[in-house]
Amino acid sequence: DTEVTQTPKHLVMGMTNKKSLKCEQHMGHRAMYWYKQKAKKPPELMFVYSYEKLSINESVPSRFSPECPNSSLLNLHLHALQPEDSALYLCASSQGQGRNQPQHFGDGTRLSIL
Amino acid sequence: DQQVKQNSPSLSVQEGRISILNCDYTNSMFDYFLWYKKYPAEGPTFLISISSIKDKNEDGRFTVFLNKSAKHLSLHIVPSQPGDSAVYFCAAKTTGSARQLTFGSGTQLTVLP
Repeated sequence: DTEVTQTPKHLVMGMTNKKSLKCEQHMGHRAMYWYKQKAKKPPELMFVYSYEKLSINESVPSRFSPECPNSSLLNLHLHALQPEDSALYLCASSQGQGRNQPQHFGDGTRLSIL
Repeated sequence: DQQVKQNSPSLSVQEGRISILNCDYTNSMFDYFLWYKKYPAEGPTFLISISSIKDKNEDGRFTVFLNKSAKHLSLHIVPSQPGDSAVYFCAAKTTGSARQLTFGSGTQLTVLP
């Protein structure tokens, strides 16, 4: 069982919908991440939060909006997505941003844009 | 420009034999390397890591070797089991870097019973 929990596991939405992806960890980790993974490709970093503050935004379009309400939760708000945004969205956490500790991943949310 | 490369997209090995997965990197600033395993419909699972001050790290059936001069690392799985069949990603980072992990493209390992 993964220690990083993501909900929902699957999401189908239209291009005009607004939805949110949720991620939760209770390992006391202070860095949390959103990745996007397309089929047969490695995960691509989208956002990094360190101590609940956004520290990295990898030039992600504004239709993706991250939020870190507290040290255990990470949300990704979605609005007006495009079909090419269909992918597996992975959340990860680690003890700290710069330290040599592994990131632990959730099982992801499979997102399909109609 | 791919800084972390896994040149073999797939590998098949007989059960009980050794699996060797390879990874090359180009960024000499990388000093921490990790291997992740990924099953379909699951997120990547951390397997083993190695710091650049070491050339070998072992954990049960899994051993990672690092050759800094060749900028090459490998993951050995001995003995291989059918449950090891998954996609294996190599990843690298630079200590203190805000840019976190750089992943390779993955190798699909199939262990045949």
